[in-house]
Amino acid sequence: KAGVTQTPRYLIKTRGQQVTLSCSPISGHRSVSWYQQTPGQGLQFLFEYFSETQRNKGNFPGRFSGRQFSNSRSEMNVSTLELGDSALYLCASSSSPTVPTYEQYFGPGTRLTVT
Amino acid sequence: AQSVTQLDSHVSVSEGTPVLLRCNYSSSYSPSLFWYVQHPNKGLQLLLKYTSAATLVKGINGFEAEFKKSETSFHLTKPSAHMSDAAEYFCVVRINTGNQFYFGTGTSLTVIP
Repeated sequence: KAGVTQTPRYLIKTRGQQVTLSCSPISGHRSVSWYQQTPGQGLQFLFEYFSETQRNKGNFPGRFSGRQFSNSRSEMNVSTLELGDSALYLCASSSSPTVPTYEQYFGPGTRLTVT
Repeated sequence: AQSVTQLDSHVSVSEGTPVLLRCNYSSSYSPSLFWYVQHPNKGLQLLLKYTSAATLVKGINGFEAEFKKSETSFHLTKPSAHMSDAAEYFCVVRINTGNQFYFGTGTSLTVIP
């Protein structure tokens, strides 16, 4: 089974621009979560989507948004980029939140650098 | 409230000696617990998980962890460290009544040759 894929792997943007990151979950998985990882703040939860609906949202400003498509692929968008948005963005795939052994499988991440 | 605390931000061991990475959690509900490993510039890889079955959990690469409810701990151990074990390790708790995962701040493991 193919793992979680994230595109692009590396991205350089300038302040004020917007960016879209993509995540394809493991085949058959319907839940996708997004995390931001920085040296100072560690891993922070952004949001989770299941069956095209946002189920949970972390404490991030409205500039951060996401969506999930009917094939479970997910995108996240960051508008009006700030220097502090430079981070590794990780996507995690899961089968279903209702499964007791629910666990997450992570993609390799997208390294975003904002200059 | 739910949280997870990794007691050491950095651990150094010599190659061939035991590894102990400590994790305590707090939860009002029955938790699922996980350990993930992250090598530099890579995503997180699941090492092992506890989901209310056996309290001693065996994972990949010789790692294991023991769930101790009375101590609210889930420490990760390995009998003999290998150079390839050098990485960042994250303890994660998921509360079984919900579906959000709570990550610890990570422990950086250095293995000295």
